[in-house]
Amino acid sequence: QSVLTQPPSASGTPGQRVTISCSGSSSNIGNNYVYWYQQLPGTAPKLLIYRNNQRPSGVPDRFSGSKSGTSASLAVSGLRSEDEADYYCVAWDDSRSGWVFGGGTTLTVL
Amino acid sequence: EVQLVESGGGLVQPGGSLRLSCAASGFTFNNHWMSWVRQAPGKGLEWVANIKQDRSEKYYVDSVKGRFTISRDNAKNSLYLQMNSLRAEDTAVYYCARERKEGGGFDPWGQGTLVIVSS
Repeated sequence: QSVLTQPPSASGTPGQRVTISCSGSSSNIGNNYVYWYQQLPGTAPKLLIYRNNQRPSGVPDRFSGSKSGTSASLAVSGLRSEDEADYYCVAWDDSRSGWVFGGGTTLTVL
Repeated sequence: EVQLVESGGGLVQPGGSLRLSCAASGFTFNNHWMSWVRQAPGKGLEWVANIKQDRSEKYYVDSVKGRFTISRDNAKNSLYLQMNSLRAEDTAVYYCARERKEGGGFDPWGQGTLVIVSS
């Protein structure tokens, strides 16, 4: 049972917009930044979004993040086949004094 | 090029010990917090521990407290994870990751090293 809650799966057709939710509490998302990672099959995770909604250089602007209260979401617009991957949200948890991950969402491009 | 390379994984019996290493290059190692994150086979990511630049602060996930010890040698640009009293549920790929100074977040990650705890 992960501290942050994500749907196990999401899907869309090429060109569509898909959103992935991440739900937490006041000790993590509610009081700290949210980060998103993309993990392609068989590879190490890659930072996709930092500080709720900022993209590192090199990340396409098709990826966007947002946060409201104790929830956050990742949106992928103009869906492409290469976006098929697992996506994880992360936040620092003040109560646990540690980073907490969501369980991950597998994105399928139909 | 910023790079992290883990080593030290392998097969170990329950109750045994293992020491993981992570060699860093391409950046000023002693400017960054560093973390270990693991991923059990077919499962999601789990943060394990992190350590401050000067080793003055260390944090652990509850499941490894008292069994795992994170350390670093800034002179050798290296991060370590000493794992004792290993259990089957510690079986995972262990990644080391740099915590970015500006903006935060784990970036980059190493390629990971596999630890299997089994008799």
